[in-house]
This record gives sequence, structure tokens and C-alpha cells, in this order.
Amino acid sequence: ETGVTQTPRHLVMGMTNKKSLKCEQHLGHNAMYWYKQSAKKPLELMFVYNFKEQTENNSVPSRFSPECPNSSHLFLHLHTLQPEDSALYLCASSQVQGDEQFFGPGTRLTVL
Amino acid sequence: DQQVKQNSPSLSVQEGRISILNCDYTNSMFDYFLWYKKYPAEGPTFLISISSIKDKNEDGRFTVFLNKSAKHLSLHIVPSQPGDSAVYFCAASAGNTDKLIFGTGTRLQVFP
Repeated sequence: ETGVTQTPRHLVMGMTNKKSLKCEQHLGHNAMYWYKQSAKKPLELMFVYNFKEQTENNSVPSRFSPECPNSSHLFLHLHTLQPEDSALYLCASSQVQGDEQFFGPGTRLTVL
Repeated sequence: DQQVKQNSPSLSVQEGRISILNCDYTNSMFDYFLWYKKYPAEGPTFLISISSIKDKNEDGRFTVFLNKSAKHLSLHIVPSQPGDSAVYFCAASAGNTDKLIFGTGTRLQVFP
């Protein structure tokens, strides 16, 4: 595996479900990011981890909970989401925070 | 308030011709600009960047122009190819560690 991978690629969940998105990077990077992309909106930065420490939480609701156990893995735990949370969730990594970012393919999330 | 704007949601260009994608920004502190290309069901791919100390950067068929006084940048693709059909995002940052602010994207279609 090379680059940035994300699983699952597609996820459908109900509002009462708990699920997790996984991101893994094989680039030896130290910074990882979660983005949300909704239709006709700019990419929205959600969270940033630099050397496993969370450095940014962009006013994200608590129903989204990130976890970064090591520099190669990033999770986004989802709980009691709303239909408006349906979007493409993209993970990215960079050598350190602020460097050029490499993106994963995204997880398309649908909340029913 | 949207700091990075791509006012054309779509652009259609004939193969072999020049594609010009435009981006405007409002924050005068931005000093680093990037273009990303995104195919459906994939994450954005970094394309080309430019820092504010330059007014032009060229990489093969892709050239980015920066007009700081007008707070405007543009991406030129020449000659355009059908494989260039994708959504192009402009992004900007201020300083080495600040987050990237993305535009809403322009969908480019290159037809034969």
C-alpha cells in the first residue's frame, strides 16, 4: 500500500449508529488532517494532528471524535450524526503541519 | 466570509486549446497558493503551487500566475487534454504553519 488510504470508501449509517472512519498514511508524514467536503462548499478543515497531538479543532461538533494513536493512523469516530453530516470525508497527511498535503480517496458518508 | 473564491463553477474547453481557471482571494496575509485537481470518487491531488515572492510558476502544461495587487491567481493549462477533465480547487495559506483555505472548485470539461 502506498500513499494515503481510507476505509471504508462508502458508509451508510442511521442517526443512532456508532461508526468509525479510518485513515492510514504510508508516507512517513507527521501531520494528519480530516476534511469534510459538502456539495458546492469549500473543503472544510475539521481536525489537525501534528506529531500525534491535536493542534486544531475547527469548531467541529462533539458527535465527531478524532483519534490519532500514532503518526500513521487517524480515526474519526462518529456518533449520533445528523442527515446534514452526509458528505465526503477526506483524510490528508503532510510531512509536518503546513506542508503540502496528500489526500486519501475519501469516505462517502450517508446519514439516514 | 469566503476568503478564497472561484466564481466560475464550470468551464468547458476544446481539446488542444488553453484552459484558464481563475481564483480570487481577500486575505492580504496569504503568501502561498496551491491548485488541487480532483477526479470523482478520489481525493484532491496537488497540482502546482506558487509563493507570493513570484508571479509565475510553470510545470509542464500547467502555469500559475499570481497578481498580488489584484489578489488574483489563475491556472493555465495548455494544451488541454480530455484527461484534464476534473474539478480544480484553489487553496491559500498564510505562513508555513497555517491551514489551507480552499475555494469551492471549478469543474473543467475538455471535449474532443
